[in-house]
Amino acid sequence: GESVGLHLPTLSVQEGDNSIINCAYSNSASDYFIWYKQESGKGPQFIIDIRSNMDKRQGQRVTVLLNKTVKHLSLQIAATQPGDSAVYFCAEKAQGGKLIFGQGTELSVKP
Amino acid sequence: KAGVTQTPRYLIKTRGQQVTLSCSPISGHRSVSWYQQTPGQGLQFLFEYFSETQRNKGNFPGRFSGRQFSNSRSEMNVSTLELGDSALYLCASSKGLAANTYNEQFFGPGTRLTVL
Repeated sequence: GESVGLHLPTLSVQEGDNSIINCAYSNSASDYFIWYKQESGKGPQFIIDIRSNMDKRQGQRVTVLLNKTVKHLSLQIAATQPGDSAVYFCAEKAQGGKLIFGQGTELSVKP
Repeated sequence: KAGVTQTPRYLIKTRGQQVTLSCSPISGHRSVSWYQQTPGQGLQFLFEYFSETQRNKGNFPGRFSGRQFSNSRSEMNVSTLELGDSALYLCASSKGLAANTYNEQFFGPGTRLTVL
């Protein structure tokens, strides 16, 4: 069935370094992807999205890269800060508009 | 503008009981989606309601059901609770325009259900 998976369950980085979180998806027909951030005790919060007709999209301190050839996307966070510590999910828009989420990567930022 | 609210925030039930969770979407949003979040399975889509009708459904047994009221508020019900139903249940609202397109979803804080 459809699935979206993450390569690493945990990621620990030093404050100020760049972070890269990876995600693999299985449905080559997927045309829209989203990254969410979930802090403890809160629901997921939208970070950035990308459509399949793009390879790269930049936001404030974040960049999403999409490689359709290998069905892989990544989230890059520049100059990681303690406030970036959270669980990050990639999500794929499936048929009908519902979201299929990956397992999540926990990002820990060391001061 | 108030965000998505969910009640109760925490709930403890025993096996065999049933439970009803409530979600109030952002004002003006007509779509409400429900997700189950567990450490093992991650975030899984349960169902989506739009204008009081179920528009989309995930792969969960019939013990999981929902409904939406005319004011867009939604409830989900789980009957005959099992230990494996322990999870964080998240509700997300969106404008819900066109079923097969993506409308940004705004999530509530969730209801933490523990089944003993």
